[in-house]
Amino acid sequence: DTGVSQNPRHKITKRGQNVTFRCDPISEHNRLYWYRQTLGQGPEFLTYFQNEAQLEKSRLLSDRFSAERPKGSFSTLEIQRTEQGDSAMYLCASSFSAPLSGNTIYFGEGSWLTVV
Amino acid sequence: TQLLEQSPQFLSIQEGENLTVYCNSSSVFSSLQWYRQEPGEGPVLLVTVVTGGEVKKLKRLTFQFGDARKDSSLHITAAQPGDTGLYLCAGTNAGGTSYGKLTFGQGTILTVHP
Repeated sequence: DTGVSQNPRHKITKRGQNVTFRCDPISEHNRLYWYRQTLGQGPEFLTYFQNEAQLEKSRLLSDRFSAERPKGSFSTLEIQRTEQGDSAMYLCASSFSAPLSGNTIYFGEGSWLTVV
Repeated sequence: TQLLEQSPQFLSIQEGENLTVYCNSSSVFSSLQWYRQEPGEGPVLLVTVVTGGEVKKLKRLTFQFGDARKDSSLHITAAQPGDTGLYLCAGTNAGGTSYGKLTFGQGTILTVHP
């Protein structure tokens, strides 16, 4: 399978602990995105990378959140000192940067986080 | 901030009925995508529309992008229980550092009863 891969798929953690999610994008894609989705809502943009450069961060991404894409391939999203409000599904997506093509973005299956 | 208003939020119909989901904005998008999402899974791309007025068909699903590229619709003919899911529209902007970032509607939860 050559789609976007995320792990772990599910994570239950105690409040105050740190968690890290990993995303492996489609191999030819140079753009990588992180979104957050809560139940019954559409995904909300968190941040995105072009190659290894982090080009935009949402106001939703507080100081406790950090994302990296060190070699322009896989990415990690770390949440420090988790809070119950962080409980959500964290989605990774990837695409080509192709200005004239409609820039189709493909999503992974998501990583569910439950903070207890 | 660009917003996408999706309606209706919930749709419960019988198998065989037709339905239309709407996605509206006051902003212009360079492209618009429709996704279907099942519980606990990520969104799966159905279609991307790029040109104003464009119509695309995918079996029983018909997608239309408004002439002004501010709105879109998804029409399903003869709905089946397998169509049940969350349908999401999402727009992308051209230009600048926001290029490619998706703005999602809040979704339409469709339930098709046998």
